Amino acid sequence: SAVISQKPSRDICQRGTSLTIQCQVDSQVTMMFWYRQQPGQSLTLIATANQGSEATYESGFVIDKFPISRPNLTFSTLTVSNMSPEDSSIYLCSVGQNQPQHFGDGTRLSIL
Amino acid sequence: DAKTTQPPSMDCAEGRAANLPCNHSTISGNEYVYWYRQIHSQGPQYIIHGLKNNETNEMASLIITEDRKSSTLILPHATLRDTAVYYCIVRVATNAGKSTFGDGTTLTVKP
Repeated sequence: SAVISQKPSRDICQRGTSLTIQCQVDSQVTMMFWYRQQPGQSLTLIATANQGSEATYESGFVIDKFPISRPNLTFSTLTVSNMSPEDSSIYLCSVGQNQPQHFGDGTRLSIL
Repeated sequence: DAKTTQPPSMDCAEGRAANLPCNHSTISGNEYVYWYRQIHSQGPQYIIHGLKNNETNEMASLIITEDRKSSTLILPHATLRDTAVYYCIVRVATNAGKSTFGDGTTLTVKP
């Protein structure tokens, strides 16, 4: 199974700032997925990131707020832009297109 | 993806079997049943999946009814470390990354 590393593991940020979360996988994968888990809630898919093309966003999520990069087959970043307290969540990276998914341990983000 | 229904919480005594039910009455013929769990402060962990036959691995067993409208995840000898939120997800295998997570079942294993 894939090993997924996310950085940072947690952060506390000021409102109005932006934070970029990194996701590194130990094997090449076609698709990477970004999820959000708000406090006390389940996971919600933000977007799918393919190498060499623009990310595909789910309903309710937009590129200006959550820009994503996918420079190669083992790495992706998610930026949370112009943060507000409502963005306080755990952000998780995931892989697994034609097989069971695997998740990183997430980035726990708090906005003051 | 088909919608799933799980009880919000369950308790289990340590050392006993934990049986977690999931209803998925609108499941399609090409959709698999996947189970994940999320231990506090960690990402979801894959447990097991199946299409229509019962499955067993080192972690758990999955029992799928003949009509495929429901399933049960069985942890044969629950330990305190099995305390977690358990998610039942139904989806086609080729769409594996785009999972729709419900609220899951919070399993509490008690000494």
